[in-house]
This record gives sequence, C-alpha cells and structure tokens, in this order.
Amino acid sequence: AQSVTQLDSQVPVFEEAPVELRCNYSSSVSVYLFWYVQYPNQGLQLLLKYLSGSTLVESINGFEAEFNKSQTSFHLRKPSVHISDTAEYFCAVSDNQGGKLIFGQGTELSVKP
Amino acid sequence: NAGVMQNPRHLVRRRGQEARLRCSPMKGHSHVYWYRQLPEEGLKFMVYLQKENIIDESGMPKERFSAEFPKEGPSILRIQQVVRGDSAAYFCASSPLKTGGADTQYFGPGTRLTVL
Repeated sequence: AQSVTQLDSQVPVFEEAPVELRCNYSSSVSVYLFWYVQYPNQGLQLLLKYLSGSTLVESINGFEAEFNKSQTSFHLRKPSVHISDTAEYFCAVSDNQGGKLIFGQGTELSVKP
Repeated sequence: NAGVMQNPRHLVRRRGQEARLRCSPMKGHSHVYWYRQLPEEGLKFMVYLQKENIIDESGMPKERFSAEFPKEGPSILRIQQVVRGDSAAYFCASSPLKTGGADTQYFGPGTRLTVL
C-alpha cells in the first residue's frame, strides 16, 4: 500500500525567506509524485509533478521539487516566498497504473510580511 | 475550455436527508474521481469512475454512499440518510487518462456539505 507523510503541518516564514516543505512517500512500486496547492475555500491546483526523467521539476511560479528515490522524498522548495504563496500544500502519489491519488495531510504555509 | 464544475458549491442538509453532489468534468475528460476532505485532514480518495463504469470504489463507505457517471450528464455522488459525520468538502477531479500511466487530475472547486 502507498502512503504519503508530510512532516510539517504548519510552516510560518517571513516574506522573501526560503522555504522547504517536506514530503516522504512509501510504495512498493514505481510512483508518480505531485504537489498541489489549495487556497482558502478553493479546489486544488496542480503545482508540479514528477512522472519520469529529470528528478528536478519546476513550476512556473518559482517552486521546485526534487525526486529522491533512495530517500523516498519529494520535498518542495522556493528560494524566496511571497505573501501570495500563503496556502495549504498537498503532496500526493499515484502508482504507475494511474487512478487514485494518495494525499499527505497537508502543510499550511503562512508567509508573514 | 471550462474547468471542472461542481454544484452546488454549498449544501446544507438535516440528518436523515439525501445529498446529491454533481460534477461535470473538463471537456474531453472521461475519467472522474471523487475525494473527501474532512476538517483538518487531507483529501481521501473515494471512487474512480469512467463513463458508465466504476473502476475503483475502495474508498467509498460501504453504506449510504453511491456514485455514478452516466453516458450523458454529470457524475453524481449520492449520500443517503446523511449524518453529521458526513459534513466535509467533497472534491471531484477529472483526467483524460490514456491507457497506462498517470495523468494530471484537474480538481473542481468542491461542494461543502453541512449536516445539521
């Protein structure tokens, strides 16, 4: 069975500081990995995904995540956050047959001025 | 291209009533997923459907919950005889999943169900 652990439930940071949101997964098969962002009272939006190829994936708004197979991790990073990045971030895994996403508990990123 | 649409956005029901949640996938998407987000928790998979077929319902409660995705019209998640513990946000996602491999799931804005 697959599982996802997001180690931090809340991460408060100051604007323009770097941030890392941690995600570890457990799976006995090859996986696809995703980060989704949820703004208050909204649905989830895909931030970035790893399917294959380069282990470093980037989003259009400055986030990046690195797939580390040996450590079974897919941590999300941004070198300088903005107030507008305040949201809840979910890491998710899917097996190579597609289908359901298994989500972590979420990390609430709070960016303060 | 319109995104995934869900209605209603907010639904209030009294205990014992029925709740019907609707989801229209993105144009060209034939795969629909339903997830539930309980307060202070992450999203939990409920059911995965293709047109007229249930592919995976491993996350559906055994009683009172059912889902369908007919040949025409939206996907429906139906909850009979609702209880307070059913209060949650219900999200629908769709994908154009091709044979084999994962594809991005696009999420709707959710339906927030409150059971009084």
